[in-house]
Amino acid sequence: AQTVTQSQPEMSVQEAETVTLSCTYDTSESNYYLFWYKQPPSRQMILVIRQEAYKQQNATENRFSVNFQKAAKSFSLKISDSQLGDTAMYFCAFMKERQLLYNNNDMRFGAGTRLTVKP
Amino acid sequence: DAGVIQSPRHEVTEMGQEVTLRCKPISGHDYLFWYRQTMMRGLELLIYFNNNVPIDDSGMPEDRFSAKMPNASFSTLKIQPSEPRDSAVYFCASTSFPLHTGELFFGEGSRLTVL
Repeated sequence: AQTVTQSQPEMSVQEAETVTLSCTYDTSESNYYLFWYKQPPSRQMILVIRQEAYKQQNATENRFSVNFQKAAKSFSLKISDSQLGDTAMYFCAFMKERQLLYNNNDMRFGAGTRLTVKP
Repeated sequence: DAGVIQSPRHEVTEMGQEVTLRCKPISGHDYLFWYRQTMMRGLELLIYFNNNVPIDDSGMPEDRFSAKMPNASFSTLKIQPSEPRDSAVYFCASTSFPLHTGELFFGEGSRLTVL
C-alpha cells in the first residue's frame, strides 16, 4: 500500500517570504503521479502543482515549485513571495498510473499542513 | 465547464434518518470519487467508480453507507441510518485519463451534521 506523510501539521510564514512544506511517500512503483492540493477556507480543493515520477525536472507553477527527490521519496512544495491568499490547508497526494488503479490504496492523500501567511 | 456539482451544500439531520448526497461530475470524466473529510481522520477515499462501475468500495465504513452511479452524469452517496459519527464534509471528485493525468477536480463538498 502507498502511504503519504506530511510531518508538519501547521506552519506560518510572513507575507512575501518563502516557505517549504514537506511530504514523503512510500511506494514500490516506479511510475506514478504526485500532487499538491490547496484547500482554502472556502473548502474546495484545487490543484496547485503536479509532478510525474518519470520526469526528472522539478515542476514549477509561477510562485510554486517542488523539490522532487525520487530516490528519497520526497516531494516538498516551495511557495515563494507568499501572499495572504496562500493561507490554506495543503495536501500532498499520490496516485499510481491509470493502468494500475486497482483499489483505493493506489491513490492517497497526506494528513495536510495548515499554512498561515501573516501580514 | 460548470465543474463538479454537489448537493446539498449543508445538511443537518437527526440520528437514524436517511441521508442522500448527490454529485454531478464534469462532463466527459470517466472516474468519480467520493471522499470524506474529518478533523480526526483527514481525507478518506470511500469509493471510486470508473465508467459508472464501482472499482473499490473498501473505504466505505459500514454497510450503512452505499454509493451508486446510475449513469455517467450522476452519483449518490447514501447513509441509512445516519449516526452522529458520520458528521463530516463529503467531497465528490472526477477526472479523466489520460487527459488530466491524475488531477482530481473536486466539488465544493457537502457538510453533513448528524445530531
